[in-house]
Amino acid sequence: KNEVEQSPQNLTAQEGEFITINCSYSVGISALHWLQQHPGGGIVSLFMLSSGKKKHGRLIATINIQEKHSSLHITASHPRDSAVYICAVFTDKLIFGTGTRLQVFP
Amino acid sequence: NAGVTQTPKFQVLKTGQSMTLQCAQDMNHEYMSWYRQDPGMGLRLIHYSVGAGITDQGEVPNGYNVSRSTTEDFPLRLLSAAPSQTSVYFCASSYDGTSQPQHFGDGTRLSIL
Repeated sequence: KNEVEQSPQNLTAQEGEFITINCSYSVGISALHWLQQHPGGGIVSLFMLSSGKKKHGRLIATINIQEKHSSLHITASHPRDSAVYICAVFTDKLIFGTGTRLQVFP
Repeated sequence: NAGVTQTPKFQVLKTGQSMTLQCAQDMNHEYMSWYRQDPGMGLRLIHYSVGAGITDQGEVPNGYNVSRSTTEDFPLRLLSAAPSQTSVYFCASSYDGTSQPQHFGDGTRLSIL
């Protein structure tokens, strides 16, 4: 069993929809990262959080340390949000989930 | 501000050839790391370095070698390429490598024939 599980693996949405991507982990962590990988392959760090909630524009990330679960929400989704979203947890190293592929259609 | 620069972006090798993937960062980050990304799997750590002169193995180090002679550069060497090393390779850096945001290069797509 992977130490970091993401769901769903694939997600399609219509422009404007509210999107939720989930990440569950089974190890003790000091931080959790959400990353975005564009179709061209580049990886960008979206959030790093160890408790509570963070917001940046239309993106919101939450984490529940007790339940070992994090969610990434996208409000008013747009086709430019189409990408792979990756959850990674930091123990003594980064452990990555396999990613959620999101496609947003106009 | 260049960030993390990886070269080359694409490379095709024959089995048994050797090559070096270059990674450079201009943010004065102490922590640098190399990952490989394969279909259906999360990024996996190959080697990492917590500062100049210090390197250590990650999850999948076999067949790869690294060195860190300067803070800026962290090259990854394939000693004798094998088809199993066909992958996309990412270099990343961060301020201290513990829980700070990671900055990634654009990746190197490597095919071994």
